[in-house]
Amino acid sequence: QSALTQPASVSGSPGQSITISCTGTSSDVGSYNLVSWYQQHPGKAPKLMIYEGSKRPSGVSNRFSGSKSGNTASLTISGLQAEDEADYYCCSYAGSYVVFGGGTKLTVL
Amino acid sequence: QLQLQESGPGLVKPSETLSLTCTVSGGSISSSSYYWGWIRQPPGKGLEWIGSIYYSGSTYYNPSLKSRVTISVDTSKNQFSLKLSSVTAADTAVYYCARHVATYYDILTGYYRLGPLDYWGQGTLVTVSS
Repeated sequence: QSALTQPASVSGSPGQSITISCTGTSSDVGSYNLVSWYQQHPGKAPKLMIYEGSKRPSGVSNRFSGSKSGNTASLTISGLQAEDEADYYCCSYAGSYVVFGGGTKLTVL
Repeated sequence: QLQLQESGPGLVKPSETLSLTCTVSGGSISSSSYYWGWIRQPPGKGLEWIGSIYYSGSTYYNPSLKSRVTISVDTSKNQFSLKLSSVTAADTAVYYCARHVATYYDILTGYYRLGPLDYWGQGTLVTVSS
């Protein structure tokens, strides 16, 4: 199985919006509404930000939103803040296993 | 508040077996709503799912690691464990345990579909070196 494809890096200025894509296949992202997104700051454990494509866990800012179209899922962060600078990973159920994306480093300029 | 804590040796010799345990507190590992998983992250690299287990012992494994991985559960101790055999330097990583939400029950496969990883341990670095 192959990792989901994410851009290696994205950047934006405070207050702006950015979108991170996550491309899979018809066997994972395209087949199940089970894409989740994780935020990871250096030296810390990942934190769940979005699940089932577009749902936010309690306590996660509504500046974070998710969507899916076909085999591609997306994470959008609006009103960028300095604290959003981190690595972001997408993840999908794939029938008999789970696969992560390679990760995207978000830099807040 | 649910907490997960990894424990085990921080140094393992090449060709030996890596063994880690995750202790769950603040909740029962026997809940029917969750699987319990292992994820690793080599230094400076991305996350890799290793596998997940249900309280009944039903497991999912990463196909690329399946031949070397065994995940087990001890409900009496509220713990689950990872064994990875024949390790090499490529297995050096921070190993995380996490709670995996069990979603839709697939009648065809007899397994639950795995949802998000909603609670994580702090992670433990395991180095493979002689």
